[in-house]
Amino acid sequence: KQEVTQIPAALSVPEGENLVLNCSFTDSAIYNLQWFRQDPGKGLTSLLLIQSSQREQTSGRLNASLDKSSGRSTLYIAASQPGDSATYLCAVKGGSYIPTFGRGTSLIVHP
Amino acid sequence: DAGVTQSPTHLIKTRGQQVTLRCSPKSGHDTVSWYQQALGQGPQFIFQYYEEEERQRGNFPDRFSGHQFPNYSSELNVNALLLGDSALYLCASSLVGGISENIQYFGAGTRLSVL
Repeated sequence: KQEVTQIPAALSVPEGENLVLNCSFTDSAIYNLQWFRQDPGKGLTSLLLIQSSQREQTSGRLNASLDKSSGRSTLYIAASQPGDSATYLCAVKGGSYIPTFGRGTSLIVHP
Repeated sequence: DAGVTQSPTHLIKTRGQQVTLRCSPKSGHDTVSWYQQALGQGPQFIFQYYEEEERQRGNFPDRFSGHQFPNYSSELNVNALLLGDSALYLCASSLVGGISENIQYFGAGTRLSVL
């Protein structure tokens, strides 16, 4: 059974810092990995999708990497802003095509 | 272009009751997935509907059932509610075929409280 762990559970940083959020998974036989953002009481917004054959994806200030052999992915946020405050979730999709989510990292960026 | 819409926004029920949640997918999408997100947890996959059939199912009891209509909208039904069913229920839609199938658009969810 796939298990997904996200570290840290919570993070509070001043504006402008570069951040790294971590996601680890136990079964390396994955189809893809996806990072989402969730604002309080809201649904999820897809940020980046990495296929199993890819090593990284970039969108604006966000960069996500994938290392299947070690069962890890990182989400890098450059020059953080207060608007980045949200919970960040990673989801791993394996052979069953059913996604397994981590519990998320709650991020607060203060001015 | 409307995104994924869910109704109602909030719902309060008592143990043993039954509840129906509704979801309208993003325009042009044909697949609907349902998730349960307990407080402080990540979403858990309940099931997915495509062409009015349940395509996949997560580890949820038969009390959880669903339906998809010809217009692709969907309902989630939960019978014999338990306190542990209290959660945010999320609906996500996508389009079958190619890489776009992996891009799910989520609704804002229905917050269900079971007393």
